[in-house]
Amino acid sequence: QVQLRESGPGLVKPSETLSLTCTVSGDSISYYYWAWIRQPPGKGLEWIGDISYSGSTNYKSSLKSRVTISADKSKNQFSLSLRSVTAADTAVYYCARNKWDCSGGGCRPYFFDFWGQGTLVTVSS
Amino acid sequence: DIQMTQSPSSLSASVGDRVTITCRASQNITKYLNWYQQRPGEAPSLLMFAASTLFRGVPSRFSGAGSGTDFTLTIGSLQPEDFATYFCQQSYITPHSFGQGTELVIK
Repeated sequence: QVQLRESGPGLVKPSETLSLTCTVSGDSISYYYWAWIRQPPGKGLEWIGDISYSGSTNYKSSLKSRVTISADKSKNQFSLSLRSVTAADTAVYYCARNKWDCSGGGCRPYFFDFWGQGTLVTVSS
Repeated sequence: DIQMTQSPSSLSASVGDRVTITCRASQNITKYLNWYQQRPGEAPSLLMFAASTLFRGVPSRFSGAGSGTDFTLTIGSLQPEDFATYFCQQSYITPHSFGQGTELVIK
């Protein structure tokens, strides 16, 4: 069974960097896509970005200047770094596996089939 | 970016009712539409992918339809565990946007 677990500080000061790690078990991050998604309290889901099996990344355009997603295949982990945070970045952050669809002559992200339990990150001084 | 619009935002129903949630994309996303269920305090879980394919373990009372820009999620006979929030999500192009959610509450 694939399992994902987010870890990192639950409190970050404004203007500092939010750093989270997702540890994956039951699968290798050398396959599929691996995503970060967040949900502000009481609100909807927002895709932040992902990293592919080959190490290529995609980010939401409005966050692109502040976000980096990286992977450590030796530890089977991938990470999120969000710089210059404000209160608007307060949210539950989820990591998820984005399974691929390879039916069209190439592989593309398809659906999020496994999720971490989520971790609340509060931005406050 | 593709905008995903769900309706209604909230839906009140009783156990045994049949309900339908609609999701509209701002441009053609072909079949790349997924549905998720989120219970309070939990992570979302996948219900349906490619508009109408049930994910493993999901009860057959859930069904999906649509292609292009207009999609529906139907629950055939509501069970107590179905009262939750439902999100649609497009995976046609990045950013992989979600609908704003439909909260299904007990009448």
